[in-house]
Amino acid sequence: DQQVKQNSPSLSVQEGRISILNCDYTNSMFDYFLWYKKYPAEGPTFLISISSIKDKNEDGRFTVFLNKSAKHLSLHIVPSQPGDSAVYFCAASPERNQGGKLIFGQGTELSVKP
Amino acid sequence: ETGVTQSPTHLIKTRGQQVTLRCSSQSGHNTVSWYQQALGQGPQFIFQYYREEENGRGNFPPRFSGLQFPNYSSELNVNALELDDSALYLCASSLGQGYSYEQYFGPGTRLTVT
Repeated sequence: DQQVKQNSPSLSVQEGRISILNCDYTNSMFDYFLWYKKYPAEGPTFLISISSIKDKNEDGRFTVFLNKSAKHLSLHIVPSQPGDSAVYFCAASPERNQGGKLIFGQGTELSVKP
Repeated sequence: ETGVTQSPTHLIKTRGQQVTLRCSSQSGHNTVSWYQQALGQGPQFIFQYYREEENGRGNFPPRFSGLQFPNYSSELNVNALELDDSALYLCASSLGQGYSYEQYFGPGTRLTVT
C-alpha cells in the first residue's frame, strides 16, 4: 500500500531550465509534506517543506506547491544547476500525534545537464 | 554543531545472525527515528525513540528492536537476519516528539545479508 507515490523514476533537464518533480498521495489526513535530496553515499538532506494549510512555499530557487483536492504536490527548481543532480524524495507526515513518522515516496533521480 | 553519525558504514552478515547498528543524534536533538531503505525504494519507517522510549513503530516484525540512551544516541538491533533485511539503514534525529517534522539523517549503514 504505497501512500506516497513518485511515478517518475528519473528526470533529465538542461542547466538553467525549470525542473518539476511530482508526488501524489492517497491519505487526506497527512498534515505536513517535505522534500529531501539524496546524493550517493550520503543520507537524505532536508530541502523544503509545506504545511497542509498552505498551497505554496518558496525558498530561493525551490518552490513546493500543494494541491489538496488532487492530493498532489510538486517541487519546482528554477533555474536548475548541475549540482542539483541527485535523488529527490517527497515525504508526508501523518497527524501530529503519530510520533513523527515520515512516509516516503520511491524517489525521482534528477539529472541536470550542462 | 555535530551532525548525525552512524556506525559501522558497511556490514556483511549471514542469514540467522544478529546485528547491532549505532547512531549518534545531532547535538540538541532528543528524538531518533530509524528507517530501512531497500534498493530503488524510499526509506521505510521502522520506529522512533523519544527520551529513551519507543514512540511509534512501522510495519516491521518484533525481531527489529531498538534502544535510546540518556545521551540520546540509539541502537537498532535485528535478530534472526533474513536475506530481505539487506538494505541501507538510516538514522534520523529531530527535536521534539512529533513537533518537528524535519528530520536530519545520517549517512546510513549498508547491511548485506548472505
